[in-house]
Amino acid sequence: LAKTTQPISMDSYEGQEVNITCSHNNIATNDYITWYQQFPSQGPRFIIQGYKTKVTNEVASLFIPADRKSSTLSLPRVSLSDTAVYYCLVDTGYSSASKIIFGSGTRLSIRP
Amino acid sequence: DSGVTQTPKHLITATGQRVTLRCSPRSGDLSVYWYQQSLDQGLQFLIQYYNGEERAKGNILERFSAQQFPDLHSELNLSSLELGDSALYFCASSVSPTSGGPNEQFFGPGTRLTVL
Repeated sequence: LAKTTQPISMDSYEGQEVNITCSHNNIATNDYITWYQQFPSQGPRFIIQGYKTKVTNEVASLFIPADRKSSTLSLPRVSLSDTAVYYCLVDTGYSSASKIIFGSGTRLSIRP
Repeated sequence: DSGVTQTPKHLITATGQRVTLRCSPRSGDLSVYWYQQSLDQGLQFLIQYYNGEERAKGNILERFSAQQFPDLHSELNLSSLELGDSALYFCASSVSPTSGGPNEQFFGPGTRLTVL
């Protein structure tokens, strides 16, 4: 099973770029890597998803090295509203025995 | 608004009791997932259904069960409740039968269960 490991917490300041790394050493060939954002007492919200190299959307970038054993979520120019918990998800989704494993999450705190 | 609805929003009950949590997926989504989130903890995957059939199983206790009905709504049944079952229970839905691949899960607002 692809277990994920993330830093428990990170602090940054408004306007800075924040990079959160997730380790997934046992990632399988068909696994995608997905990042979610969660605010207190709310359901997680999809941020970005990728398989390899780099993916960019309007809110974030996702960097995945060639060995795919880790991934880095990059949030450009963060604001106070980016304070949340960020989860990395790797899923062996192509088997009836698939397991869905969210990381423990990284609590990101943004200061003025 | 993700389009996923969950009822009730809050539920308070006593140890030993049984409760049912309900989830309606987004229109067109065939997959439903259930997660448990204890206080200040991460998300624990419980179970997934796709078009009425069980698709994947996580660390779901034997006291818990779920099903997905023909209209695609799902129910999570929790029985013989213990204090430790107090948590937020989230339902999510997706189009695909797999949460891997180019796919995303849309989460509902959750049901907060308190067992006294």
